[in-house]
Amino acid sequence: AQSVSQHNHHVILSEAASLELGCNYSYGGTVNLFWYVQYPGQHLQLLLKYFSGDPLVKGIKGFEAEFIKSKFSFNLRKPSVQWSDTAEYFCALRSGGYNKLIFGAGTRLAVHP
Amino acid sequence: GAGVSQSPRYKVAKRGQDVALRCDPISGHVSLFWYQQALGQGPEFLTYFQNEAQLDKSGLPSDRFFAERPEGSVSTLKIQRTQQEDSAVYLCASSLSGVATNEKLFFGSGTQLSVL
Repeated sequence: AQSVSQHNHHVILSEAASLELGCNYSYGGTVNLFWYVQYPGQHLQLLLKYFSGDPLVKGIKGFEAEFIKSKFSFNLRKPSVQWSDTAEYFCALRSGGYNKLIFGAGTRLAVHP
Repeated sequence: GAGVSQSPRYKVAKRGQDVALRCDPISGHVSLFWYQQALGQGPEFLTYFQNEAQLDKSGLPSDRFFAERPEGSVSTLKIQRTQQEDSAVYLCASSLSGVATNEKLFFGSGTQLSVL
């Protein structure tokens, strides 16, 4: 069965610190992977996605993620976080012939000024 | 409208009551998804529509849950005889195409259902 695992449920950082959020997936076929973000009081928004090609993908607001097939991982990174990055981050895997997504449990990030 | 609209934003129901949650997708979007997000969890897939056809309802937790999209636009998720474990945020999402493509899903803000 397909699944997505996010290891860190809560992360607290100071501004300018580097960020890496872990995501591992379980799926035997070709994968499409996503990171979504939910800012306080807002709806889920796409941060970045991997479909094929370069395993290092860049998204909005300075975020990037690296697809490592051998490790079944798709970790999210940002070299220097800002207070405005405080949000919940969800890793997701696309399954099937349409855009059905399987989400991880999410990681709550709090950035202190 | 500019985005996916869901109503009501909050719903409080007594255990045993029926509820109906509405989703207005972005105009012209073929695909529509319902997700359930329990507190502290990620969204879990409930059901998928391609236009008016319900192609996947594998995520509906019980026969108390029913979804429809009769004209291929607005969708309603109905929960009969609500139970406390139904308390969650119900998210609707839509996308332009009906097949797996390089496009993104647009999510609504959700309906927070509390069953007392």
